[in-house]
Amino acid sequence: DPKIIQKPKYLVAVTGSEKILICEQYLGHNAMYWYRQSAKKPLEFMFSYSYQKLMDNQTASSRFQPQSSKKNHLDLQITALKPDDSATYFCASSQQENTEVFFGKGTRLTVV
Amino acid sequence: QQKVQQSPESLIVPEGGMASLNCTSSDRNVDYFWWYRQHSGKSPKMLMSIFSNGEKEEGRFTVHLNKASLHTSLHIRDSQPSDSALYLCAASSVSGSFNKLTFGAGTRLAVCP
Repeated sequence: DPKIIQKPKYLVAVTGSEKILICEQYLGHNAMYWYRQSAKKPLEFMFSYSYQKLMDNQTASSRFQPQSSKKNHLDLQITALKPDDSATYFCASSQQENTEVFFGKGTRLTVV
Repeated sequence: QQKVQQSPESLIVPEGGMASLNCTSSDRNVDYFWWYRQHSGKSPKMLMSIFSNGEKEEGRFTVHLNKASLHTSLHIRDSQPSDSALYLCAASSVSGSFNKLTFGAGTRLAVCP
């Protein structure tokens, strides 16, 4: 029974288009994150949110925009998609800082 | 430059054998180390964490930490085919970005029956 739900599981997008990756967690955690993993790079931190407040943004591009409508909800909007954005995007959460980070099953994005 | 270096890149051990994985951080501000396991096509799941110098054991898994050298190692005894996976080491800092985990590239372990 997954406690961090990511939708969709797979996504194919056309270069230049825009997509939204959905994430909801039911662990009662206060912090949520986005990470990205591709064949070219290790698992890489993108954003952290605590109590719906953006804590850190490590992405160089403004094409990636997290959206938090509720405490347990953190979506990721990606605009002007490029083939290089192809990766598996993991949503994650933790109770608070310096505690275990739990990962969702991921959304595998392919940009063609 | 990768701040968390893992070695070896890949490792093959026989069933029942011992697997030893290494991880070093080049960031002097690191306070915590985390070991995650990721089976093929799945999400990473935390195995063990270590914050203090010394050793910590949980079942077949033992983790060591030397804070002076920022080196941690994970040892798996009595390895099973189900242990075959990508093992990821991550580091975080109390003074750094909010709970940001910096991952290494991983060690791919194969346990052969």
